[in-house]
Amino acid sequence: GAVVSQHPSWVICKSGTSVKIECRSLDFQATTMFWYRQFPKQSLMLMATSNEGSKATYEQGVEKDKFLINHASLTLSTLTVTSAHPEDSSFYICSAYIPGLAYEQYFGPGTRLTVT
Amino acid sequence: EDKVVQSPLSLVVHEGDTVTLNCSYEVTNFRSLLWYKQEKKAPTFLFMLTSSGIEKKSGRLSSILDKKELFSILNITATQTGDSAIYLCAVKGAQKLVFGQGTRLTINP
Repeated sequence: GAVVSQHPSWVICKSGTSVKIECRSLDFQATTMFWYRQFPKQSLMLMATSNEGSKATYEQGVEKDKFLINHASLTLSTLTVTSAHPEDSSFYICSAYIPGLAYEQYFGPGTRLTVT
Repeated sequence: EDKVVQSPLSLVVHEGDTVTLNCSYEVTNFRSLLWYKQEKKAPTFLFMLTSSGIEKKSGRLSSILDKKELFSILNITATQTGDSAIYLCAVKGAQKLVFGQGTRLTINP
């Protein structure tokens, strides 16, 4: 089956620094990828939709200048958390959208970000 | 605004019990409803439902959708401790998935 990987799986960074998270589709091309954020004991919240070769579409309330998304190729989307603060500590999950397949979105394993 | 509501939010039962998890939704341009199981990492897919009244079954898990009343249930029979997880319901509209809050299920031995 389709596999989506994320790197790193966990990261700790200091407040004020930037962190880049990669999401790769390993055996298929994904024109659309999604980025979700999940706070402890809460559900997944969609942050943005990433389309290859174009600007990402951000959900209401998500700062596009803080969460930079780049989808430069059909197999890679990156999320950069700029000037991270402790409140950005969360579990970030990407998924790749494949229309027409059994359940259409394949989730990556997630990245746990802790900002100290 | 699209909305998915799950109940209960938390459930604790004994091994061997049967549980029913609920999911109701309000979504424009409904396309499908999905159930996921989440342990410590990203969600793993359980079922996708698109038609009313047709039960999907996988081992001890089953699910059904009612598009008239806008809800779905997930049943787990003869529960085991390995079923302990968060169960997420998500509804797909035009393109994106909208997730419910999840039901945290704990199975005690």
